[in-house]
Amino acid sequence: QQKVQQSPESLSVPEGGMASLNCTSSDRNFQYFWWYRQHSGEGPKALMSIFSDGDKKEGRFTAHLNKASLHVSLHIRDSQPSDSALYFCAVSPYQGGRALIFGTGTTVSVSP
Amino acid sequence: GPKVLQIPSHQIIDMGQMVTLNCDPVSNHLYFYWYKQILGQQMEFLVNFYNGKVMEKSKLFKDQFSVERPDGSYFTLKIQPTALEDSAVYFCASSLRDWGGGQNTLYFGAGTRLSVL
Repeated sequence: QQKVQQSPESLSVPEGGMASLNCTSSDRNFQYFWWYRQHSGEGPKALMSIFSDGDKKEGRFTAHLNKASLHVSLHIRDSQPSDSALYFCAVSPYQGGRALIFGTGTTVSVSP
Repeated sequence: GPKVLQIPSHQIIDMGQMVTLNCDPVSNHLYFYWYKQILGQQMEFLVNFYNGKVMEKSKLFKDQFSVERPDGSYFTLKIQPTALEDSAVYFCASSLRDWGGGQNTLYFGAGTRLSVL
């Protein structure tokens, strides 16, 4: 079964708008969250990590984690065409294990 | 930022042949990973490697797969023999530390597209 579910599958945002992505882990052992971004033809690149309840802001990106529900969101403020990419949520285990498990991905398209 | 290099970028081989995918990880990193991605979709974990040993592997890491990093050179993924379902983009990644505390960043290469005919 899928450990990490993301929604929506795809998202269209006007330039300057806000994009909101969601991610839920189905396994309480996996509660360290990362957001990765993958542009076409490239490998994923880490955007930010979040390990504690609440918000974490890095530039135009804000992540929010609710550990009780194992739900994390990513909000992209003032979206730019360069933000068009495949966004992955990834989780790692609390203890033991070293595999970083990726979610199903959300494709974001920012139109000028 | 730190760079992971993957060679070649595209490899075409006939089913049943052997293929070796090469990865040059970030120079001071100690942990190495392979992921598989089909059709630009989900990244699926294959294996991770540290201190000359496989630490973890997934069900996708079939018996035909092997990894090694002889004498600190390339980190390689070998598939022998290849099957049609092995066609995918394979990404190598490296990190300075492991994920036990969830504190480290994985750096990915640009991938090797493997086409098995």
